[in-house]
Amino acid sequence: DAGVIQSPRHEVTEMGQEVTLRCKPISGHDYLFWYRQTMMRGLELLIYFNNNVPIDDSGMPEDRFSAKMPNASFSTLKIQPSEPRDSAVYFCASSLVRGELFFGEGSRLTVL
Amino acid sequence: RKEVEQDPGPFNVPEGATVAFNCTYSNSASQSFFWYRQDCRKEPKLLMSVYSSGNEDGRFTAQLNRASQYISLLIRDSKLSDSATYLCVVTDISNFGNEKLTFGTGTRLTIIP
Repeated sequence: DAGVIQSPRHEVTEMGQEVTLRCKPISGHDYLFWYRQTMMRGLELLIYFNNNVPIDDSGMPEDRFSAKMPNASFSTLKIQPSEPRDSAVYFCASSLVRGELFFGEGSRLTVL
Repeated sequence: RKEVEQDPGPFNVPEGATVAFNCTYSNSASQSFFWYRQDCRKEPKLLMSVYSSGNEDGRFTAQLNRASQYISLLIRDSKLSDSATYLCVVTDISNFGNEKLTFGTGTRLTIIP
């Protein structure tokens, strides 16, 4: 079975540009999570969905960040405009059972 | 106080030794607990759930102490391949009434040959 698939794996962009990160969860999983990881702050939950509906977006840092899940097999996290402090690894994870998350390989974002 | 706290380490341990580390949590109503491991530049992966009665999976033992609000992970007969960062995860009910998972910042373990 394919795991969680994220793209792009690496992105380098300039400040002010729009960034779109993509995620395909494991088929049949009804929870999808977006996390951000930095050395300073560790893993931070940005938002999560249940059955394509956003449940908790309290971790989204500001209005520059938005996330969508138009269907059960696809989600996007968008940053517009991007800033250097957004540089991090962004993980998508999906889950069927409480606490048992399956993570994608992450998208490493560098904003110059 | 942070919701979930871990000693960042690093713990440098000789191969074959036993190592243990703890994770404390601030919410006494926390419901579920897990250990994940994360290899360098890789994604976190579930290692094991932590049950109230404690549980064992091969060389790994996880325990929960609700009175003192911490969970622990014990690794016996450590292997070089155990070198990783170990993240504890605590689930709570958020202010919105939904379940919320919080990751600790991790404890880095290096097994020395």
